[in-house]
Amino acid sequence: QQQVKQSPQSLIVQKGGISIINCAYENTAFDYFPWYQQFPGKGPALLIAIRPDVSEKKEGRFTISFNKSAKQFSLHIMDSQPGDSATYFCAAKHAGGFKTIFGAGTRLFVKA
Amino acid sequence: NAGVTQTPKFRVLKTGQSMTLLCAQDMNHEYMYWYRQDPGMGLRLIHYSVGEGTTAKGEVPDGYNVSRLKKQNFLLGLESAAPSQTSVYFCASSAPSGSQAKNEQFFGPGTRLTVL
Repeated sequence: QQQVKQSPQSLIVQKGGISIINCAYENTAFDYFPWYQQFPGKGPALLIAIRPDVSEKKEGRFTISFNKSAKQFSLHIMDSQPGDSATYFCAAKHAGGFKTIFGAGTRLFVKA
Repeated sequence: NAGVTQTPKFRVLKTGQSMTLLCAQDMNHEYMYWYRQDPGMGLRLIHYSVGEGTTAKGEVPDGYNVSRLKKQNFLLGLESAAPSQTSVYFCASSAPSGSQAKNEQFFGPGTRLTVL
């Protein structure tokens, strides 16, 4: 039972373009929505995260947009670079707990 | 700080064999987790621990056992390996609720396991 649905499965973007990855969740009891970045042969690492009381969070070229009423959130990578090529996972954490539910992942390839 | 380390990095087993995956963290984290990563399925929680001496089942616990005898170590065991357990296994840790970095999980580099 996947509680966090992520799309697309894979994405190819030209260097300098905008990469957009979308996620939707069902459980309204989530209180923390992180994005993890994973390079081949490595473990995932936290990239950026947002709480549901904020509609947008920006860190450098990475922005999370959050729509609480639609139960959707997305990651935008501006000015995408070949070094951004990785797998990205959205996730959601249960309020008051610590278990995190991960999306299926999106493989991003940025063409030079 | 080494962060989260996993041993071994790769392993090939035959069906029915047993093995133990070792995870160690040096960040004094209370919470530790074992995930498996399969194509198109994301990361699925196998077992987790909220402290030394405690363990609990996650989303996909069947066929696995765990132990947390020391705070810094979390072991994942496969008693009788099956081809369906071919996967990449990740260990992670996080600080407890109430701490500043309570939500972030720190992952190890993974163990790639093949069961023939």
